[in-house]
Amino acid sequence: DAGITQSPRHKVTETGTPVTLRCHQTENHRYMYWYRQDPGHGLRLIHYSYGVKDTDKGEVSDGYSVSRSKTEDFLLTLESATSSQTSVYFCAISESGTPTYEQYFGPGTRLTVT
Amino acid sequence: GDSVTQMEGPVTLSEEAFLTINCTYTATGYPSLFWYVQYPGEGLQLLLKATKADDKGSNKGFEATYRKETTSFHLEKGSVQVSDSAVYFCALRENTGTASKLTFGTGTRLQVTL
Repeated sequence: DAGITQSPRHKVTETGTPVTLRCHQTENHRYMYWYRQDPGHGLRLIHYSYGVKDTDKGEVSDGYSVSRSKTEDFLLTLESATSSQTSVYFCAISESGTPTYEQYFGPGTRLTVT
Repeated sequence: GDSVTQMEGPVTLSEEAFLTINCTYTATGYPSLFWYVQYPGEGLQLLLKATKADDKGSNKGFEATYRKETTSFHLEKGSVQVSDSAVYFCALRENTGTASKLTFGTGTRLQVTL
């Protein structure tokens, strides 16, 4: 199994509060991704990183920001959580950005915004 | 843009039945294709992949063939087991600049009964 951990694994927070989710990898992979999983939508990309301090937006980036100050950590921040951000969040890593390389997924963080 | 369409679930089968989960895709170039599986309460695991036309991916008795002419990547298994009960996601990955990103289908839940 790829060495990917996510923290926290579960979180309940109130509308309007800031929330930070952490993804940590031990594989030294260059690419890291944040997805959200919602019923009827599959997984949708929020943000991704292609190196330290190099990040870009995915298809559902509004309301989210990310940071990557070192190879092993990729942080996802909800500046002011809303109920529509209640979801399961998955981090993924990949050795390369080329299409033939698979992405390995973390165990997920279940976030509930009340 | 890229998209993946999967058959709606849930799919309910008896143990030892034959499984087909349909997947078709739309892409502008030459994507790699993947099937991921998600067991209850867990993250996604790569089940199999194919990186070019006519490739067959296989793993744990599951197979899928990359059909460029029909833009399809249907998942099959000859004899399902109760332990195969999970959600299955078809996905594609195409070169889109700095990092090729996964585009997922909505997932198909498989329930296998004794």
